[in-house]
Amino acid sequence: GQNIDQPTEMTATEGAIVQINCTYQTSGFNGLFWYQQHAGEAPTFLSYNVLDGLEEKGRFSSFLSRSKGYSYLLLKELQMKDSASYLCAVKDSNYQLIWGAGTKLIIKP
Amino acid sequence: NAGVTQTPKFRILKIGQSMTLQCTQDMNHNYMYWYRQDPGMGLKLIYYSVGAGITDKGEVPNGYNVSRSTTEDFPLRLELAAPSQTSVYFCASQILGDSGNTIYFGEGSWLTVV
Repeated sequence: GQNIDQPTEMTATEGAIVQINCTYQTSGFNGLFWYQQHAGEAPTFLSYNVLDGLEEKGRFSSFLSRSKGYSYLLLKELQMKDSASYLCAVKDSNYQLIWGAGTKLIIKP
Repeated sequence: NAGVTQTPKFRILKIGQSMTLQCTQDMNHNYMYWYRQDPGMGLKLIYYSVGAGITDKGEVPNGYNVSRSTTEDFPLRLELAAPSQTSVYFCASQILGDSGNTIYFGEGSWLTVV
């Protein structure tokens, strides 16, 4: 079967750095997405990786290793507004998105 | 910019009732999706459409139906509502041909079946 694994919850301090990991086993791979979802709201797009390596976008970076079935989202200079769930999703060989359950990130002052 | 618009935002249904969740997008996207998200869970695909007149089942289609008569609209029909269908429903759209393109979500519809 297809599976996306992420930690259920993480806690970090304002101003610090946090890394959210995602591992996947899917039938094929056509890209990996990270989405942010605030409580009671729709997911919003953060990043997309299809090739190995690091993609940096402001305070957020996303890394992919296809050979290891692994990605991480790195958040720097954490702000209180970064408290949200972070969803990892992989597009499989049929171009269907398989979603992880999300990681709830709690930021403490 | 309207983007993806879905209605209603909140609805309470009695067991056995039927209803339609409306979804419309103004971005001329050919791919449209309906997801449900249960508390603490990831998004589960109910149905999707790759263009007008074409629909297909996702991971959890039982108890639902869809239609896609136009590019813009993709309504989701619940027949004989059951408590297991209590969830948050998200409609989303994406443009064909670029697997890296962003999926845009509607604001969600909170449905409770009692």
